Amino acid sequence: EAGVVQSPRYKIIEKKQPVAFWCNPISGHNTLYWYRQNLGQGPELLIRYENEEAVDDSQLPKDRFSAERLKGVDSTLKIQPAELGDSAVYLCASSLAGAAGAEQYFGPGTRLTVT
Amino acid sequence: GDSVTQMEGPVTLSEEAFLTINCTYTATGYPSLFWYVQYPGEGLQLLLKATKADDKGSNKGFEATYRKETTSFHLEKGSVQVSDSAVYFCALRLQGAQKLVFGQGTRLTINP
Repeated sequence: EAGVVQSPRYKIIEKKQPVAFWCNPISGHNTLYWYRQNLGQGPELLIRYENEEAVDDSQLPKDRFSAERLKGVDSTLKIQPAELGDSAVYLCASSLAGAAGAEQYFGPGTRLTVT
Repeated sequence: GDSVTQMEGPVTLSEEAFLTINCTYTATGYPSLFWYVQYPGEGLQLLLKATKADDKGSNKGFEATYRKETTSFHLEKGSVQVSDSAVYFCALRLQGAQKLVFGQGTRLTINP
């Protein structure tokens, strides 16, 4: 069974440019998470989806970040415009919906470098 | 707020050495506790977990015991291998919540 797929794996952009990351969760997993992992730190949740609905986006910087999961399967996270401080690894994870304590499965991440 | 503190790395050991990576937490209520491992170039993988006080999680020779009295969840392994070289993250999840709160990670290198 395929795991969580993310693309691209690496992205280098100049500041003020837009960037987008894509995630395809494990088949059948209705809950999808985006985390940001700064260098030398643990991941921090940005947003959580239950199907198409963003149920926790309290940590998403809404002035420049946006996310969508239109059909309740794959998801896109966008930054526009990017800033130097956005350099980080962006992780996607998925889990079974409605299962208390369901394990989260993580993708390999997208490493973003903003120059 | 809820938080997890891990011992700072990097940690470098020789093969077959005993490993301990300390983890303490601050949380309201009774969280579940986790250890995740991140091998080079890969995503985080769940290594072990414990959901209530005095539970011991174990996997691949690693163990951790949920100690409520000391709010700790230290990771141990009796004899490490080169293949254990990775970054280890301690994390908690509050009761009824989905969000994981991670520590900063500890990079472990095992030399042959």
